[in-house]
Amino acid sequence: ILNVEQSPQSLHVQEGDSTNFTCSFPSSNFYALHWYRWETAKSPEALFVMTLNGDEKKKGRISATLNTKEGYSYLYIKGSQPEDSATYLCRGPSNDYKLSFGAGTTVTVRA
Amino acid sequence: GAVVSQHPSWVICKSGTSVKIECRSLDFQATTMFWYRQFPKQSLMLMATSNEGSKATYEQGVEKDKFLINHASLTLSTLTVTSAHPEDSSFYICSARDDLGTGGNNEQFFGPGTRLTVL
Repeated sequence: ILNVEQSPQSLHVQEGDSTNFTCSFPSSNFYALHWYRWETAKSPEALFVMTLNGDEKKKGRISATLNTKEGYSYLYIKGSQPEDSATYLCRGPSNDYKLSFGAGTTVTVRA
Repeated sequence: GAVVSQHPSWVICKSGTSVKIECRSLDFQATTMFWYRQFPKQSLMLMATSNEGSKATYEQGVEKDKFLINHASLTLSTLTVTSAHPEDSSFYICSARDDLGTGGNNEQFFGPGTRLTVL
């Protein structure tokens, strides 16, 4: 993988269901991976900064894991709520302000 | 947390006119700010790095005479799209790095973005 890639591009989730999606990145020269939550008309909000292989971070119903050896990070949403509807961006993985963004996964939670 | 504002949030202009977008760090100083552009269903692409008191650093393929950047103070960077054309229509978003931030890991704080439509 040469760039940061996110999949799927979009997904629809029924309220109360759990979901997860992926950020893939080049596994060489890893420094940090950032996850952001971006609601329409608002600023992207930092969720997590992942730095260590095997890292697992949690914020409320949202959690993320990191595998630097194979170059991926998962973001999980447990018991999705309508307010979780947003685009989730990942950014990384090198120590460079020009960190690459993935194209995002847009999550729509249906009531 | 740190707040970055952008103004305007959306703008519609005629082809050939120039449009200025402001990016402000509201509660912190930012020697370095970044300007991104997003095309539909694509990633945020870094256009340029704005440095207070010096010239901006443009990414490959970004015309510096087309996208003028001025970072006149520690809290304000402006992006001017000169002689705008319909192909410049896009979503522009800025970010800022807190000079005194201790979070490390190249943490940046983002503005809400500006939607530019050129008719």
